[in-house]
Amino acid sequence: GNSVTQMEGPVTLSEEAFLTINCTYTATGYPSLFWYVQYPGEGLQLLLKATKADDKGSNKGFEATYRKETTSFHLEKGSVQVSDSAVYFCALSLQGAQKLVFGQGTRLTINP
Amino acid sequence: DSGVTQTPKHLITATGQRVTLRCSPRSGDLSVYWYQQSLDQGLQFLIQYYNGEERAKGNILERFSAQQFPDLHSELNLSSLELGDSALYFCASSVSDSPEQFFGPGTRLTVL
Repeated sequence: GNSVTQMEGPVTLSEEAFLTINCTYTATGYPSLFWYVQYPGEGLQLLLKATKADDKGSNKGFEATYRKETTSFHLEKGSVQVSDSAVYFCALSLQGAQKLVFGQGTRLTINP
Repeated sequence: DSGVTQTPKHLITATGQRVTLRCSPRSGDLSVYWYQQSLDQGLQFLIQYYNGEERAKGNILERFSAQQFPDLHSELNLSSLELGDSALYFCASSVSDSPEQFFGPGTRLTVL
């Protein structure tokens, strides 16, 4: 079936550190890939997306590249801030079946 | 603000009861999705409606049902509630052919 696997959390970093959150997927067909972020007490916000292989999604200093050969979509940021503390979800959707399949989420805490 | 609204924000009820959760999609979006977020199951797709018709079903229990009305708002009905139904319920919407979904703030259901 279709699934998404994220690195286990929680992840704790100091401000200005480099961030990587790993995400790999299994899918039949060619999925679109997403990163969503959930701040405390809030709903999910779309952070970035990529719809085909080798596409790079970017937003607010975060980046992720759709790697078909490794079935991965790792999230990176060069210098994190305290305000980036949140839960991050990797997700996929398949063309013609637009439901999102989510990973288990990775809780990120940034200390000043 | 995603433009998707959900009411109520919080709901506390007892086992065996029935509740209705309401969602208004973004203006112009025809698709509505319902997701359940719980600690043990993570984020799970429940059901999708498109322009009033059921389009896809996920891990939705028989005790749960949904509908989408002519004005495109949607309701999720949960009946014979059990303790395990306590969760955050999210609604999301999208334009017809886009894989990108916009989430509401969620309804937190607590079953006592």
